[in-house]
Amino acid sequence: EAGVVQSPRYKIIEKKQPVAFWCNPISGHNTLYWYLQNLGQGPELLIRYENEEAVDDSQLPKDRFSAERLKGVDSTLKIQPAELGDSAVYLCASSLGTSVLNEQFFGPGTRLTVL
Amino acid sequence: DAKTTQPNSMESNEEEPVHLPCNHSTISGTDYIHWYRQLPSQGPEYVIHGLTSNVNNRMASLAIAEDRKSSTLILHRATLRDAAVYYCILRDDTDKLIFGTGTRLQVFP
Repeated sequence: EAGVVQSPRYKIIEKKQPVAFWCNPISGHNTLYWYLQNLGQGPELLIRYENEEAVDDSQLPKDRFSAERLKGVDSTLKIQPAELGDSAVYLCASSLGTSVLNEQFFGPGTRLTVL
Repeated sequence: DAKTTQPNSMESNEEEPVHLPCNHSTISGTDYIHWYRQLPSQGPEYVIHGLTSNVNNRMASLAIAEDRKSSTLILHRATLRDAAVYYCILRDDTDKLIFGTGTRLQVFP
C-alpha cells in the first residue's frame, strides 16, 4: 500500500514568489495534517483537516498561508508571498481518525528554500 | 500541554541494546506516551505507545515508570538503520502530536 505522497520533494524560489505543495494521503484516511519543520526542531502543526473541513488552523499564518482539501482527499498548502523565514520542510501526514490511539503516517516532506 | 524532556543525543554500537529516556513529570492521568522516530530525510514514523503498562512490538519496547513520570524506549539490538531522531510525545484527547527536539541516536558499526 502506498504511503503519504508529497510533491515536489524540493523547491527553490525567490522571496515574494508564490509556492504550493501537494499531498495525497493514504487511501481511506479522513484526517490530514500539515506540519512545518525548521532545521534542528521537531515538526509543528499548521493545520488539521477532518475530511474537507479545517478543524484546527490556529497555528496557520493566515496572512500568507492558505490550504485546501477539496473532496476530502488531496490537499494543497500555499504560501503567497514567500519570505526568507519560510525556508523549512513542510510535512503532510494522515490518519484514520482523531483518536489518540490512531497512528499518524507522514510523507517525506517538501524542502523549501527561499532565496 | 504536558511537556517531555529528552537528552539531545545518545550513542550506541551496533547490535547492542539502547535505552532512550524521557521525563514527563507533569503527565496527566489521561495522557498516552507515544514515541515517533525520524530517519534522515524522511518524515517521522510511529514506533510505539503506552498508557500505564509496559508495551512490546516488533520495533521496540516501552517501559513506563510506576508513577508515569518517566518512560524508556528500548531498542533491543540497535542496527545502523536505527540511527534517527527519537521523539517522546504525550498525547491527550485533543489528538495533537506536539514534538520537542527529540534525541538524536547515533549507531556505530
